[in-house]
Amino acid sequence: DTAVSQTPKYLVTQMGNDKSIKCEQNLGHDTMYWYKQDSKKFLKIMFSYNNKELIINETVPNRFSPKSPDKAHLNLHINSLELGDSAVYFCASSLDQGQLNPYGYTFGSGTRLTVV
Amino acid sequence: AQSVAQPEDQVNVAEGNPLTVKCTYSVSGNPYLFWYVQYPNRGLQFLLKYITGDNLVKGSYGFEAEFNKSQTSFHLKKPSALVSDSALYFCAVRDQAGTALIFGKGTTLSVSS
Repeated sequence: DTAVSQTPKYLVTQMGNDKSIKCEQNLGHDTMYWYKQDSKKFLKIMFSYNNKELIINETVPNRFSPKSPDKAHLNLHINSLELGDSAVYFCASSLDQGQLNPYGYTFGSGTRLTVV
Repeated sequence: AQSVAQPEDQVNVAEGNPLTVKCTYSVSGNPYLFWYVQYPNRGLQFLLKYITGDNLVKGSYGFEAEFNKSQTSFHLKKPSALVSDSALYFCAVRDQAGTALIFGKGTTLSVSS
């Protein structure tokens, strides 16, 4: 009964490849997020979708493209992977952008992407 | 723009001693404040939050935090540290406009036996 699930958990790929990370939440939340945690453990917001609509798009290379087929899913597609894309990517969800669920955000367990 | 500062990269305490992990914030209007903990190779787990009401907030695993509006601080505290509390702690802030949670850089807590 995982609330926010991400797949895959680990992803090792070569430079130049295209890859996707999937995220699904079964909490009935309207808003989903992608965060990037770099090697220094800094957590930075990348994107946010509210009910399938993009509401936050931080300064992220356009090689990164989020897609939300429905409000329970937010996938992250990355084109032409670079060494600097190596990081842990976390998906999260919240009740909606204007209200908070009791726990703020619920996070997935992360996807560790390694580009070689 | 909202921001969070965690001035200490690492905090070291002996088991049984009190611990404090510091956090200051900057936000327009009233803040929503959170503490999360991250264990190695795991996701972030919610510890506690301040939305409104009492300035002293109690959370999971015996942790508490005190909201101080005049000092714009939200320090995390625990009266008696456990070795199992050793982890990476993040403070986060969100304004009432509902923008995304902004995280501090994290503080590694190390509790020695």
